[in-house]
Amino acid sequence: QKEVEQDPGPLSVPEGAIVSLNCTYSNSAFQYFMWYRQYSRKGPELLMYTYSSGNKEDGRFTAQVDKSSKYISLFIRDSQPSDSATYLCASNFGNEKLTFGTGTRLTIIP
Amino acid sequence: GAVVSQHPSRVICKSGTSVKIECRSLDFQATTMFWYRQFPKQSLMLMATSNEGSKATYEQGVEKDKFLINHASLTLSTLTVTSAHPEDSSFYICSVPLWQETQYFGPGTRLLVL
Repeated sequence: QKEVEQDPGPLSVPEGAIVSLNCTYSNSAFQYFMWYRQYSRKGPELLMYTYSSGNKEDGRFTAQVDKSSKYISLFIRDSQPSDSATYLCASNFGNEKLTFGTGTRLTIIP
Repeated sequence: GAVVSQHPSRVICKSGTSVKIECRSLDFQATTMFWYRQFPKQSLMLMATSNEGSKATYEQGVEKDKFLINHASLTLSTLTVTSAHPEDSSFYICSVPLWQETQYFGPGTRLLVL
């Protein structure tokens, strides 16, 4: 079993829809949780990161962590074609090394 | 703006030659940097941890003699792929940690070995 599981998709949604991306993890010792966006042939871009359980909002993006169920979510409101990318969730113990999910390929259809 | 830069962004070389990739931390000093490799449609695979002033730490299965890492200063780490072969063709990405909480990634270097 992988430590961080993520549905690889692909996921296609119409422009303007709310997108929900999810990951589950198995190691309860993880402390930090983050979401990266990666466009084709580019390095991952840090979208958001959170410590422990709770919500964090940044513009159209909301990250949620539920440590009781070991569930990580990213919501994208008013999705745009420019949001089309691969989204990677990641976690760590607070020791720098990250454990990644496999990534979800998202396409926003105009 | 960019936190981490990489150079070159793309390199094509002949089999048997060596290729050097630079990773620079632009906004802050980094005693540690990470090097990843990514194959098409796959997630990132950590290759090694670059340590300023000491030897790099390699992940299991990564050949340290093939992938030479030098962390010459608090803002620069280099990855040299020695005697490159077509199977070394990949997307190489470095990252800089923010405290111990997360990492910022460079734009990546695409290596094609002919």
